[in-house]
Amino acid sequence: DVKVTQSSRYLVKRTGEKVFLECVQDMDHENMFWYRQDPGLGLRLIYFSYDVKMKEKGDIPEGYSVSREKKERFSLILESASTNQTSMYLCASSSPLPRTANYGYTFGSGTRLTVV
Amino acid sequence: DQQVKQNSPSLSVQEGRISILNCDYTNSMFDYFLWYKKYPAEGPTFLISISSIKDKNEDGRFTVFLNKSAKHLSLHIVPSQPGDSAVYFCAASANTDKLIFGTGTRLQVFP
Repeated sequence: DVKVTQSSRYLVKRTGEKVFLECVQDMDHENMFWYRQDPGLGLRLIYFSYDVKMKEKGDIPEGYSVSREKKERFSLILESASTNQTSMYLCASSSPLPRTANYGYTFGSGTRLTVV
Repeated sequence: DQQVKQNSPSLSVQEGRISILNCDYTNSMFDYFLWYKKYPAEGPTFLISISSIKDKNEDGRFTVFLNKSAKHLSLHIVPSQPGDSAVYFCAASANTDKLIFGTGTRLQVFP
């Protein structure tokens, strides 16, 4: 069964801490994405990567950075956690175009981060 | 600017009836649309998709309709079941690897 695995389901961190969220996929996908989900705001793209060591900013990159040293792993880093970064964080992966029958994202189970 | 909009944040439907979830988009370059379903504390899972060359796609109880002239798509679930209670996101792609998601509609199916 193909998988996107996020290292933690629940995290509680203190304001100002540096936080690492890890995501690993076993589908050999080139593309990986980090989203956050907030009530009423849907899924908002933070960062994405089309290849190893490559990254691009999404719609809300402020306060975040990412690392992709290996194809299967995409890490999201909160440089100095703040309370407004309390959210559900979702990692996803996908194959690149052209579209095949499997076009679309495979998501991880999410990490519920609370910053206190 | 929200390119994909789900104007109904919630919907409540009786078991056995039809659920209709709506989605509007503004970008005429979108050529592929998907619906995802999300349970609490889980990641979204793919439900059904449609290419812009079609106006309907069916998979069991789920049918997606696309009206390109109105820039509108809808997801029909017939008959609705309690296990369908979840948040539904529509998403769109403009021939890129990146999906643009709507804000979601919470569907509750009651007995």
